[in-house]
Amino acid sequence: ETGVTQTPRHLVMGMTNKKSLKCEQHLGHNAMYWYKQSAKKPLELMFVYNFKEQTENNSVPSRFSPECPNSSHLFLHLHTLQPEDSALYLCASSQETGNSYNEQFFGPGTRLTVL
Amino acid sequence: KNQVEQSPQSLIILEGKNCTLQCNYTVSPFSNLRWYKQDTGRGPVSLTIMTFSENTKSNGRYTATLDADTKQSSLHITASQLSDSASYICVVRNNNAGNMLTFGGGTRLMVKP
Repeated sequence: ETGVTQTPRHLVMGMTNKKSLKCEQHLGHNAMYWYKQSAKKPLELMFVYNFKEQTENNSVPSRFSPECPNSSHLFLHLHTLQPEDSALYLCASSQETGNSYNEQFFGPGTRLTVL
Repeated sequence: KNQVEQSPQSLIILEGKNCTLQCNYTVSPFSNLRWYKQDTGRGPVSLTIMTFSENTKSNGRYTATLDADTKQSSLHITASQLSDSASYICVVRNNNAGNMLTFGGGTRLMVKP
């Protein structure tokens, strides 16, 4: 295990549902990330939180809403999703010290299917 | 535009054989390059990191090379095992403000008995 946990591991939802993905890191890191991994496409960075402050939002649709209540927890709130949002959603964390060699540790991901 | 291209997209080899995965990048200015292994149903795990001054680095049966002049890296797997079946992802970091990562699309390796 990498020290980053995600729940649920699998989620099936309709386009009108509201659900949330949860990520928790047990590594004492100060930065957390949400990535989307679609089949046969590179990982896409969605959101970055540094010291609980959002520092990056890669033009993600508003139907995805992140929340970072503290440096150990990260949520992704989902509402009115589209079938093309079906993907593996990965959470990661790192200790950002200004050193460019900091490794990101990934969770196992949530496999999301939107019907 | 910063890009990372990996080849082949997929590869099937027999157990015990060697293989080499390729990664070409256009990321500039370059900081470092990581190879990740992603098992099915799991998140990526770092295998090795290469910096500008490093040409070769080994981690058990995995050996990564870096040619910063041609902007190419390779990951060589020796004496493959069934557990090597996974996706291998090349990730390059910028050496500028933000230290952004650019991910390759990965190579899907299947090792057959």
